[in-house]
Amino acid sequence: DAGVIQSPRHEVTEMGQEVTLRCKPISGHNSLFWYRQTMMRGLELLIYFNNNVPIDDSGMPEDRFSAKMPNASFSTLKIQPSEPRDSAVYFCASSLGGHTDTQYFGPGTRLTVL
Amino acid sequence: TQLLEQSPQFLSIQEGENLTVYCNSSSVFSSLQWYRQEPGEGPVLLVTVVTGGEVKKLKRLTFQFGDARKDSSLHITAAQPGDTGLYLCAGTNSGGSNYKLTFGKGTLLTVNP
Repeated sequence: DAGVIQSPRHEVTEMGQEVTLRCKPISGHNSLFWYRQTMMRGLELLIYFNNNVPIDDSGMPEDRFSAKMPNASFSTLKIQPSEPRDSAVYFCASSLGGHTDTQYFGPGTRLTVL
Repeated sequence: TQLLEQSPQFLSIQEGENLTVYCNSSSVFSSLQWYRQEPGEGPVLLVTVVTGGEVKKLKRLTFQFGDARKDSSLHITAAQPGDTGLYLCAGTNSGGSNYKLTFGKGTLLTVNP
């Protein structure tokens, strides 16, 4: 069975450019999460969708970050304009949606902003 | 803001040794999870503990949730090179935000053959 799929796996861009990260959750999962991982701050939740609706975006660092989930099988995280401090590994995770359901993480996108 | 402190931050041991890593907080969590993350991959759930004092075993791994549900430990017996990875603990709260995982920064374990 396919797990959570993320693309690209690696992204190198220059400051000021727009970056779009993509995620395909596990089929049948109703909840989707975007996380960011850095050495300094560890893993942090950015945004949580349930049934394609954003429920909690309190972790989105600033207006340069936006996320969408147009349907149950696809989500994007966009950074515009990107800054060097956005460099991190971005993970997408999905779960069935129950309050104790396991979150399954994708392999992550390593973003480097020069 | 709830914080989870993990210790040690780094641990390098020889194959066959035993080890314990810790996850501590001043806050109470309704449940606590342990994950292992390998290089270039996302975290993978190992176990969830929900009851104060609970002990769970997964082969050579033993997980314990503190009585007050503020801390947890992971003990590995006879470590093997395949145990190498970043071990993360994450806590959840009861109520409406029970989807929200608060992660510690992890313990990076290296088991040398």
